[in-house]
Amino acid sequence: DTEVTQTPKHLVMGMTNKKSLKCEQHMGHRAMYWYKQKAKKPPELMFVYSYEKLSINESVPSRFSPECPNSSLLNLHLHALQPEDSALYLCASSQEDWRGTEAFFGQGTRLTVV
Amino acid sequence: GESVGLHLPTLSVQEGDNSIINCAYSNSASDYFIWYKQESGKGPQFIIDIRSNMDKRQGQRVTVLLNKTVKHLSLQIAATQPGDSAVYFCAERVDSSYKLIFGSGTRLLVRP
Repeated sequence: DTEVTQTPKHLVMGMTNKKSLKCEQHMGHRAMYWYKQKAKKPPELMFVYSYEKLSINESVPSRFSPECPNSSLLNLHLHALQPEDSALYLCASSQEDWRGTEAFFGQGTRLTVV
Repeated sequence: GESVGLHLPTLSVQEGDNSIINCAYSNSASDYFIWYKQESGKGPQFIIDIRSNMDKRQGQRVTVLLNKTVKHLSLQIAATQPGDSAVYFCAERVDSSYKLIFGSGTRLLVRP
């Protein structure tokens, strides 16, 4: 199984709503990532979890709150978002080998904030 | 030929020709590089990788070249097919960390 599964595929939310994006992998990877991708732009790193602990936070606004309940799951909690937060949110995972391994990506959640 | 649009440069090639996609990376401390392919509405898909102690790596129909002196990476696709049409991103891993940073991307269009 080399799959990273993200749900939901599409999400429309109002600026006062609270919602969560979910990501799951069963490859035994201990590093998991959230990226944000705007149209015609590259994915931008938001957060990295390593062994269920937050390892990297790329100065992301607090209205985005990541959570890693266990080694297979990664959530992104959303609250009081702005229309400019509309984007494709990508989850990825990789092995923890420091020498570098590729990250496997999910298909993303297309988020629209209205 | 290659054109630079407002956000995403585009490379247009004839089916069957070879394609070369270039990438300039920013960090001298980057030690691992990946090429990803992203089709419309999908997540990035791994194509090939290369470590900084190598200058060339070959896969099936793809070759990656690394020039650390000028911080340049290229992806060569042999006998380009319509299914190769997508956006291609290079990504660099900074300083043996989990930080995987993407380059700006190139759209590849394959003309039948």
